[in-house]
Amino acid sequence: DAGITQSPRYKITETGRQVTLMCHQTWSHSYMFWYRQDLGHGLRLIYYSAAADITDKGEVPDGYVVSRSKTENFPLTLESATRSQTSVYFCASSEAGGTGELFFGEGSRLTVL
Amino acid sequence: DAKTTQPNSMESNEEEPVHLPCNHSTISGTDYIHWYRQLPSQGPEYVIHGLTSNVNNRMASLAIAEDRKSSTLILHRATLRDAAVYYCILRAYGGSQGNLIFGKGTKLSVKP
Repeated sequence: DAGITQSPRYKITETGRQVTLMCHQTWSHSYMFWYRQDLGHGLRLIYYSAAADITDKGEVPDGYVVSRSKTENFPLTLESATRSQTSVYFCASSEAGGTGELFFGEGSRLTVL
Repeated sequence: DAKTTQPNSMESNEEEPVHLPCNHSTISGTDYIHWYRQLPSQGPEYVIHGLTSNVNNRMASLAIAEDRKSSTLILHRATLRDAAVYYCILRAYGGSQGNLIFGKGTKLSVKP
């Protein structure tokens, strides 16, 4: 189906473990984004990508790693998860340009014990 | 830091118009003004965007000040389904167009 999908939707892990959140879009949008959302903080940008093999840091990149080997995929990896990374993570994609509308996934809820 | 400033919360009565303000005093000439909303337990969704002129679509209207330092999202007749967090963001046409900062938005409550 066309759209943007995130997996897993729910994940519980332990401190120190590696976790990868997947994001896949079918529109061939050039831009992709990862945000986290915590109570009291709104949406905060972690990383974004303008195209395959081009990534940039956002507001809160520490503790996260991204890659974009294919246009349609933008995985987010927590190499050693911490409790402070417990959050809801949203992936988004858009066309390039100032008019580009962002399309968001349904979110991945991550709990780090 | 967010490039836009919005009130933390607003209240409205059902079937009345709602005006949601956004200040963006440092806006540049190539920045588009975008509005998104986030319903409870969902990802944000696009509402409307504009550059200089006022814009209308089926969801809302966007009024942009002449100096572009502020804008207002107008919901013409609020419904209970419009209760959400509304975000105003700026998206550049050029280089930094991927650095999209949302901030905390305005939580709109709609009373029946």
